Amino acid sequence: KAGVTQTPRYLIKTRGQQVTLSCSPISGHRSVSWYQQTPGQGLQFLFEYFSETQRNKGNFPGRFSGRQFSNSRSEMNVSTLELGDSALYLCASSRRGSGGADEQYFGPGTRLTVT
Amino acid sequence: DAKTTQPNSMESNEEEPVHLPCNHSTISGTDYIHWYRQLPSQGPEYVIHGLTSNVNNRMASLAIAEDRKSSTLILHRATLRDAAVYYCILLYRMNYGGATNKLIFGTGTLLAVQP
Repeated sequence: KAGVTQTPRYLIKTRGQQVTLSCSPISGHRSVSWYQQTPGQGLQFLFEYFSETQRNKGNFPGRFSGRQFSNSRSEMNVSTLELGDSALYLCASSRRGSGGADEQYFGPGTRLTVT
Repeated sequence: DAKTTQPNSMESNEEEPVHLPCNHSTISGTDYIHWYRQLPSQGPEYVIHGLTSNVNNRMASLAIAEDRKSSTLILHRATLRDAAVYYCILLYRMNYGGATNKLIFGTGTLLAVQP
């Protein structure tokens, strides 16, 4: 069974631009979560989608948004990029999204560099 | 959000057992205890989770104290590949009974394995 895939793996953008990252969960998984990892802040939760609905959101500005499609694939978008948005963006999927009882599987991440 | 406390770092010798402790004194009755690890340059990897009883899987064992205020991840025979940051996370249900997969990562325990 294929794991969680994220595209692209690496991305370089300029301040002020916007970016869209994609995540394909493991087949049959309905929950997709996004995380940002930086050396200073560690791993921080961005948002979670379950059956195309945003179920939970972290403490990030409105420039960060996401969506989930009917096939469970998810995208996250960051508008008006800032230097501080440079990070590894990780996607995780789980089968039941049952909250606590379900293990999550992470993708390899997208390394975003903002110059 | 219920918090966990872990030592910043631990060291082990190859082929010896490793006991990674985690304190979670404010755990609630419906919080699951999850362990993830992150190897260098990779996304986090699920290790094990439990609610009240001790759990075993092919990777590790999870020992949960009777009062659930602490737990211990046990790697039975450490290998060099087990060198990683280990995160102990409580995965909770929202107050009104909704489920969530929001993982709150702390700083974790950096495990070094010596040959």
